[in-house]
Amino acid sequence: DTAVSQTPKYLVTQMGNDKSIKCEQNLGHDTMYWYKQDSKKFLKIMFSYNNKELIINETVPNRFSPKSPDKAHLNLHINSLELGDSAVYFCASSLQGELYGYTFGSGTRLTVV
Amino acid sequence: AQSVTQLGSHVSVSEGALVLLRCNYSSSVPPYLFWYVQYPNQGLQLLLKYTSAATLVKGINGFEAEFKKSETSFHLTKPSAHMSDAAEYFCAVSDRDGGFKTIFGAGTRLFVKA
Repeated sequence: DTAVSQTPKYLVTQMGNDKSIKCEQNLGHDTMYWYKQDSKKFLKIMFSYNNKELIINETVPNRFSPKSPDKAHLNLHINSLELGDSAVYFCASSLQGELYGYTFGSGTRLTVV
Repeated sequence: AQSVTQLGSHVSVSEGALVLLRCNYSSSVPPYLFWYVQYPNQGLQLLLKYTSAATLVKGINGFEAEFKKSETSFHLTKPSAHMSDAAEYFCAVSDRDGGFKTIFGAGTRLFVKA
């Protein structure tokens, strides 16, 4: 039933590790996004894919690599995790670009220790 | 480039009182404007959106917002606050010049007192 689902919900890991977050949407949307929300609740876009094609790639360290195997899935892989990567990462999807608003997942709280 | 400013990081109202959350935007072309709500430990949920149709937009949970081009504002209101309205509210803007990339404001935390 869940429209946009992310796994895992919580992720605690040590500095230097590599981790992945997965996202799936069953809404038939054609565009998916990764946003990072910091401890002050500020939301910053990281990446966006439209029909598996990367269309937004913000200034994000290249340790972050998104992958979209199909338009219903968007994963985020993070190499060599740093303390500053601790945040909540949200996946979102929309139809026909940004005009209709997003449907967000419930977030993945990443804590790097 | 587009931007959005939310006035007041915290707003406190009594239950039953008017809720007014302020948002001003900057955009060189007609914008698309959104309000989202985030409850603790949850993702954001779309409350309402303005996409160049009616300037007064009604959303879920009794919220509405009015697009005022002359004031570059899109304030969110609700006539009577309920305890369940306590949450973080985000205003967001998107436009063609920005590649339709949605930019979010810093958020306003709404507290509702009994």
